[in-house]
Amino acid sequence: GNSVTQMEGPVTLSEEAFLTINCTYTATGYPSLFWYVQYPGEGLQLLLKATKADDKGSNKGFEATYRKETTSFHLEKGSVQVSDSAVYFCALGGNFGNEKLTFGTGTRLTIIP
Amino acid sequence: DAGVIQSPRHEVTEMGQEVTLRCKPISGHNSLFWYRQTMMRGLELLIYFNNNVPIDDSGMPEDRFSAKMPNASFSTLKIQPSEPRDSAVYFCASNYMPGGPNTEAFFGQGTRLTVV
Repeated sequence: GNSVTQMEGPVTLSEEAFLTINCTYTATGYPSLFWYVQYPGEGLQLLLKATKADDKGSNKGFEATYRKETTSFHLEKGSVQVSDSAVYFCALGGNFGNEKLTFGTGTRLTIIP
Repeated sequence: DAGVIQSPRHEVTEMGQEVTLRCKPISGHNSLFWYRQTMMRGLELLIYFNNNVPIDDSGMPEDRFSAKMPNASFSTLKIQPSEPRDSAVYFCASNYMPGGPNTEAFFGQGTRLTVV
């Protein structure tokens, strides 16, 4: 079955540092890949997505590239801000949007000024 | 659209009491998911419905938990009797399936349940 392995946290960085949160997946076919973010006291919200190999999703300075050869979808940001402190979830969707999302365990990110 | 709406936002109840959590999905969505989030176990899928029919309830922890979706715009998650270990944040999410590769799920704000 589908599975997502996500970098364990917590991760603590200084403001303006470079961020990478690793995510690898196991799936058959050509799933869609997502990153969700959960700010304190809120629900999960979609941060970015990619639907096919070599696609790059981007939003709010975050980027992730769908790498089929390494089955990875690592999240990156060049310069993090205190407001980026949150929990980040990598998720995998079915080939045709006909399967439930499979989530990673989440990575808690804290940015210190 | 107002998004996925959950109620109540917070619930404190005594052990042994019945608890009912409510969810209104986004209009037009035909799939609804109930998740539980705790520090120890992270985000767990409890059950999901497609076209009001339960598709996968393998994540429901035990018989004390039950979920219903009587129509396309409403679902409940009931715990009876509640126990302290049920304390968690419960999220509802919805989407349209099959909706193609862009089918992300939309989450509600969650219900924080505390059983004392």
